[in-house]
Amino acid sequence: DTGVSQDPRHKITKRGQNVTFRCDPISEHNRLYWYRQTLGQGPEFLTYFQNEAQLEKSRLLSDRFSAERPKGSFSTLEIQRTEQGDSAMYLCASSPRPGLGPSSTDTQYFGPGTRLTVL
Amino acid sequence: QQPVQSPQAVILREGEDAVINCSSSKALYSVHWYRQKHGEAPVFLMILLKGGEQKGHEKISASFNEKKQQSSLYLTASQLSYSGTYFCGTENMGRRALTFGSGTRLQVQP
Repeated sequence: DTGVSQDPRHKITKRGQNVTFRCDPISEHNRLYWYRQTLGQGPEFLTYFQNEAQLEKSRLLSDRFSAERPKGSFSTLEIQRTEQGDSAMYLCASSPRPGLGPSSTDTQYFGPGTRLTVL
Repeated sequence: QQPVQSPQAVILREGEDAVINCSSSKALYSVHWYRQKHGEAPVFLMILLKGGEQKGHEKISASFNEKKQQSSLYLTASQLSYSGTYFCGTENMGRRALTFGSGTRLQVQP
């Protein structure tokens, strides 16, 4: 399978605990995105990497959230001191280096997501 | 700012056509359309680029009106497999990430 993979697929934790999710993008995709999706809503942007550099962070990303992509390949998203409001599906997407053209965004391919439930 | 999708939900009979609209209050570089089935990841359908042409994929096509900052997704002769929630994701000036609408729930019945 050469698609985007995420681990774990499901995570149940107690309020106050820390959790970490992993995303493995499509090979050779240099752009990686994290989104959060709650029931009945579209994905909300959290952060974006180009290679190992974190180039953009949403205001949704509080100081309890941190993301890394140390070698420009896989990425991790950590949530510290989880709250019930953090319960959501966390989606990862990757895209290749864009081609010529006016758009700076190429097609984003989504992984299956990690569903987080905070009790 | 989140793009606005309409309608919020639509029910079709197999073989009927549907149009889903997406509009933004900001200047757009591109519009991306995705379909998501319950419990699954969004699946890419097509991308409309500023200055680009109407794109098509089998019986699903889309258009992009740059002046109105609107895009429409056309589903022709719908099939049961078209059921799901359709999201438009918009790319605005200066941003690389997509801003998604709230989605349009499409149900195709036999």
